Amino acid sequence: EAQVTQNPRYLITVTGKKLTVTCSQNMNHEYMSWYRQDPGLGLRQIYYSMNVEVTDKGDVPEGYKVSRKEKRNFPLILESPSPNQTSLYFCASRDDRWGGETQYFGPGTRLLVL
Amino acid sequence: AQKVTQAQTEISVVEKEDVTLDCVYETRDTTYYLFWYKQPPSGELVFLIRRNSFDEQNEISGRYSWNFQKSTSSFNFTITASQVVDSAVYFCAMGKVPGGYQKVTFGTGTKLQVIP
Repeated sequence: EAQVTQNPRYLITVTGKKLTVTCSQNMNHEYMSWYRQDPGLGLRQIYYSMNVEVTDKGDVPEGYKVSRKEKRNFPLILESPSPNQTSLYFCASRDDRWGGETQYFGPGTRLLVL
Repeated sequence: AQKVTQAQTEISVVEKEDVTLDCVYETRDTTYYLFWYKQPPSGELVFLIRRNSFDEQNEISGRYSWNFQKSTSSFNFTITASQVVDSAVYFCAMGKVPGGYQKVTFGTGTKLQVIP
């Protein structure tokens, strides 16, 4: 089954404690992306990656890092989380660089930073 | 910079009514993509449609239809004969394509409630 998986699905942490949210896709997609969703703000793109070792900033990259060492994985790293990073996070992948017909989203990770 | 505006924050309709969700976008690019996504109460994001900037042909898929007008920078979404299962948050989005890479900007979403 084609899917994007994220782990963990729910996470409560404290300010400053480094964390990683994993994202994995089984569709051999080149394009992957991270978004955060906040009430009243919709989804905002954090980072995206067009292929292995190729990443670029989205609209709200501050406080986040990503890496793309393998095609299937695109982890989101919060080196020193702060309360304003409390949000719902989505990972997505797509099948071609020109915006294929379907972008697959993961189920979301709900993060609370105390 | 590109911007997507969904002025309707929440809409309530009675089942079987038609409803149109508005989407207005801003961009200086001549080539871009427009999308609609659905987020039901369960939280997942479901892709509905993609439209290229050079293709203004309207599209119909069952009870769903999309009206793309470059002259007014709008990409509106109409649900005909709404059903309770259509209750969800709907997002309009725009993709910028600089050199093959794509950044995507979402609108703030319109929450649709279909009342039985």
